[in-house]
Amino acid sequence: NAGVTQTPKFRILKIGQSMTLQCTQDMNHNYMYWYRQDPGMGLKLIYYSVGAGITDKGEVPNGYNVSRSTTEDFPLRLELAAPSQTSVYFCASSYSISGEQYFGPGTRLTVT
Amino acid sequence: AQKITQTQPGMFVQEKEAVTLDCTYDTSDPSYGLFWYKQPSSGEMIFLIYQGSYDQQNATEGRYSLNFQKARKSANLVISASQLGDSAMYFCAMRDANFGNEKLTFGTGTRLTIIP
Repeated sequence: NAGVTQTPKFRILKIGQSMTLQCTQDMNHNYMYWYRQDPGMGLKLIYYSVGAGITDKGEVPNGYNVSRSTTEDFPLRLELAAPSQTSVYFCASSYSISGEQYFGPGTRLTVT
Repeated sequence: AQKITQTQPGMFVQEKEAVTLDCTYDTSDPSYGLFWYKQPSSGEMIFLIYQGSYDQQNATEGRYSLNFQKARKSANLVISASQLGDSAMYFCAMRDANFGNEKLTFGTGTRLTIIP
């Protein structure tokens, strides 16, 4: 099992550009999450999904969109990149809402 | 109000000693869960241990144990016989249900450095 995979590992965007961060898990987990981690801080939840076709906002959803068309994939879309979105983005999945979350390796995004 | 508080931004501990990382939390939900994660310098998040609010006993996983004091709303992580590989950031996190929207809230972390 690969676990949770994320692409790309690194990306530099110009202000106003768009991009999609990819996340895939092969553990058949229903629950998936997107977090961002700013320097020296803990993780903040952006969006989460409790199953294919169902998504909900987390603590910091503004400027992002998600979709969940399959159990495996949970892409995160940035439409108009802003410097405030410079961060490390983690995708995670869990078997249940109370279970441990398995994290991907992260995507380091810089917006200039 | 801060839901998860980690008051120790950094700690230095001698190798082979035990270390306690503090975590206090705030919730009005009777059903919640507490997690500890380790983040080495390589950046990945590694799950260490979980404690449910209704669990009668403190959770243990190898050298990790969770000192759960419900009345004090604290969930400290204890690492016994520390090793050089334990040097990392450690995050406490809580899952609670707020108006049906369950989510994981992280503290700001403690950077642990093990001294040889």
